[in-house]
Amino acid sequence: EDKVVQSPLSLVVHEGDTVTLNCSYEVTNFRSLLWYKQEKKAPTFLFMLTSSGIEKKSGRLSSILDKKELFSILNITATQTGDSAVYLCAVDAGGTSYGKLTFGQGTILTVHP
Amino acid sequence: KAGVTQTPRYLIKTRGQQVTLSCSPISGHRSVSWYQQTPGQGLQFLFEYFSETQRNKGNFPGRFSGRQFSNSRSEMNVSTLELGDSALYLCASSNNIGSEQYFGPGTRLTVT
Repeated sequence: EDKVVQSPLSLVVHEGDTVTLNCSYEVTNFRSLLWYKQEKKAPTFLFMLTSSGIEKKSGRLSSILDKKELFSILNITATQTGDSAVYLCAVDAGGTSYGKLTFGQGTILTVHP
Repeated sequence: KAGVTQTPRYLIKTRGQQVTLSCSPISGHRSVSWYQQTPGQGLQFLFEYFSETQRNKGNFPGRFSGRQFSNSRSEMNVSTLELGDSALYLCASSNNIGSEQYFGPGTRLTVT
């Protein structure tokens, strides 16, 4: 069975700190890994990674994938209170898993002013 | 471009009733996936439709069903509601295989 595990489950930091969120996975096949941010509403797409070692970057957020070690990290630099949210990691297992993302349990990030 | 829309946003039903939820994907997206989100189980895949065909199904009982129309809009139906069906139901649309999924705001279903 496909499995995605995120760590830590929760994190409390102060504005300006840098955080690293972890995601490891075990899937029968692999097509891509996706990161989402969820506040009190729908998950918002952040990144999709398909190739190892290539960093994706958007402003203060960046992510990288290691397909050999089966994990990904999401970095957020100079955190702001608006970064407080649940960060979800999901894997597209490819093959005949049409339209199916397997999600981790999420990391709850709280940024204090 | 308008995002994914879902209706209704909130719903309260009684055990034993049935419910239909609707999802309109981003214009041009032909794949629609449905997920159930609960505090205990997180986000779990229900099923996926593409061009009116169900291509994949998760591990949910047969009370959960869906369909897709020719304009790519999708509906999901839950019959004989149970208390445990209380959840946020999310739909997501994508271009096709291998593309990122974009989520709608969800329908919050409460079963009493």
